[in-house]
Amino acid sequence: TQLLEQSPQFLSIQEGENLTVYCNSSSVFSSLQWYRQEPGEGPVLLVTVVTGGEVKKLKRLTFQFGDARKDSSLHITAAQPGDTGLYLCAGARAGGTSYGKLTFGQGTILTVHP
Amino acid sequence: DAEITQSPRHKITETGRQVTLACHQTWNHNNMFWYRQDLGHGLRLIHYSYGVQDTNKGEVSDGYSVSRSNTEDLPLTLESAASSQTSVYFCASSEEYSTDTQYFGPGTRLTVL
Repeated sequence: TQLLEQSPQFLSIQEGENLTVYCNSSSVFSSLQWYRQEPGEGPVLLVTVVTGGEVKKLKRLTFQFGDARKDSSLHITAAQPGDTGLYLCAGARAGGTSYGKLTFGQGTILTVHP
Repeated sequence: DAEITQSPRHKITETGRQVTLACHQTWNHNNMFWYRQDLGHGLRLIHYSYGVQDTNKGEVSDGYSVSRSNTEDLPLTLESAASSQTSVYFCASSEEYSTDTQYFGPGTRLTVL
């Protein structure tokens, strides 16, 4: 059972376009992280959102955590070829047997063409 | 600089053989994790450890084992490799809490023929 549904799975756009990646769940998460992965490398953390409704910006990237802490989105403005990569969302639950663990979405492969 | 390394980076083996993938971190992190990555599945947790002598099963642990004899290392063993275990394997570590960043190694691409 995939607890985090990430969409779309593939995204191919032209340089300068805007895009949004979604991460949805029926479960509540204590925090949600977004990672970016380049070919041949491991994922690298972009941002962690903790509070329901929280919005964080990282240059042209805007991350939002849903009010109910069940969903999140990543919006990229004016995409550039350097944004190409695999984007992963990962949810964390507080305490108990979930301590320290993350549940990952399926990932979104983004290709930005010059 | 602190880092997390994996070896080998690429491995080809035959069905039925035992294979061990190494993971070494110099962050001095308590938590360590092993994931496998397959297209359409994201990262799936195989095993994890909260400290020395502690190991726990993740969602896809069948056919895999780990041991934690020190803080720095968490080797992953495939007892009898199967073609279904062909994948890219990532090791990660984190400090303590679920909100902490997980730092990933570069991955090991394993092919089981």
